[in-house]
Amino acid sequence: AQSVAQPEDQVNVAEGNPLTVKCTYSVSGNPYLFWYVQYPNRGLQFLLKYITGDNLVKGSYGFEAEFNKSQTSFHLKKPSALVSDSALYFCAVRDSGYSSASKIIFGSGTRLSIRP
Amino acid sequence: AAGVIQSPRHLIKEKRETATLKCYPIPRHDTVYWYQQGPGQDPQFLISFYEKMQSDKGSIPDRFSAQQFSDYHSELNMSSLELGDSALYFCASSSPDRGLYEQYFGPGTRLTVT
Repeated sequence: AQSVAQPEDQVNVAEGNPLTVKCTYSVSGNPYLFWYVQYPNRGLQFLLKYITGDNLVKGSYGFEAEFNKSQTSFHLKKPSALVSDSALYFCAVRDSGYSSASKIIFGSGTRLSIRP
Repeated sequence: AAGVIQSPRHLIKEKRETATLKCYPIPRHDTVYWYQQGPGQDPQFLISFYEKMQSDKGSIPDRFSAQQFSDYHSELNMSSLELGDSALYFCASSSPDRGLYEQYFGPGTRLTVT
């Protein structure tokens, strides 16, 4: 079964510093990986995805993620954090089923807090 | 750009009542998914539809049912509501035929059962 793990419940970073939110995955077959962000009382916003190709994926709001097959990781990164980046971040993987509408399986979420 | 629309945004019901949540996917998206997010929890998949047919089923209680209509909008029907059904219900849409894979989520419907 496909799964992702986010080992940190909370990450605290000072504004202007680089940030990393960790994610590891366990999949059978090719991994289809995603990052979503959820602001308070808001829906989930798509940030970026890895399907195939370059291991460094660039996404919205200056975020990027590095796919590492040997370490089965897909960490989310940003060179310089903003206070407005404070939110709940979910790593996710697309289920490997053959259904045309395979579900997304989410990690437990990491709350990112950026202090001024 | 048009996004996924969900209605209502907030709903308060009493135990044993019924509720209907509606979802309007992004135009030209043919696939709809429903997720339930309890307080402090990650979203859990309930059910999905592709071209108006049920495609995948997750941890959806038997008290819940859903369907996708000819215009691709979807409705989640919830009966005999329980306190534990209080959650944020997300609808998402995607277009697998275009190979996009990612799902675009609506703002959610916050259901409170009292």
